Amino acid sequence: KQEVTQIPAALSVPEGENLVLNCSFTDSAIYNLQWFRQDPGKGLTSLLLIQSSQREQTSGRLNASLDKSSGRSTLYIAASQPGDSATYLCAVTQGGSEKLVFGKGTKLTVNP
Amino acid sequence: GAVVSQHPSRVICKSGTSVKIECRSLDFQATTMFWYRQFPKQSLMLMATSNEGSKATYEQGVEKDKFLINHASLTLSTLTVTSAHPEDSSFYICSARDPPGAYYGYTFGSGTRLTVV
Repeated sequence: KQEVTQIPAALSVPEGENLVLNCSFTDSAIYNLQWFRQDPGKGLTSLLLIQSSQREQTSGRLNASLDKSSGRSTLYIAASQPGDSATYLCAVTQGGSEKLVFGKGTKLTVNP
Repeated sequence: GAVVSQHPSRVICKSGTSVKIECRSLDFQATTMFWYRQFPKQSLMLMATSNEGSKATYEQGVEKDKFLINHASLTLSTLTVTSAHPEDSSFYICSARDPPGAYYGYTFGSGTRLTVV
């Protein structure tokens, strides 16, 4: 059974700092990995999608990497801003399944 | 990009009544939609997979008779919480698989906060 773990559970940083969020998964037979952002009381906003054959994806100040063999992904946020404060969720899709398996998320607070 | 619209965003109902939540894919067809439940400070728990024109597939431990799912068209799935009780109070979110393309992931609705009093 696939399990997704995110570390740390919470992170507080000053504005402008570069930071890394970690995601690990137990079964490396994934189809893709997706990073989401969730603001309090809101739905999920997709940030980046990495196919299993890819190593990384970039969007603006965000960069996500994937090391499928070791079961790890990182989300790098450059020059953090208070508007980046949210919970970041990592989710994987298994090959042959459409189901997403989520981690519990990392709650990020960027202080002005 | 793909957009999934979910309504209502908030609903308060009395114990024993039923509540319907709608999930629509805008500008694309979604043969499969997913319904999740999220408890405070917890991650999303998949409740069921909604298949257009056929019965939904429920995850283990989810009561089919309490959480009725209907996927009558390629753009609409509904979740009805029947005979709601306070323990059904939660945040419900739907999602759809993106249309085939370079970004073939999932798009989520904005969620529905259900409060049963």
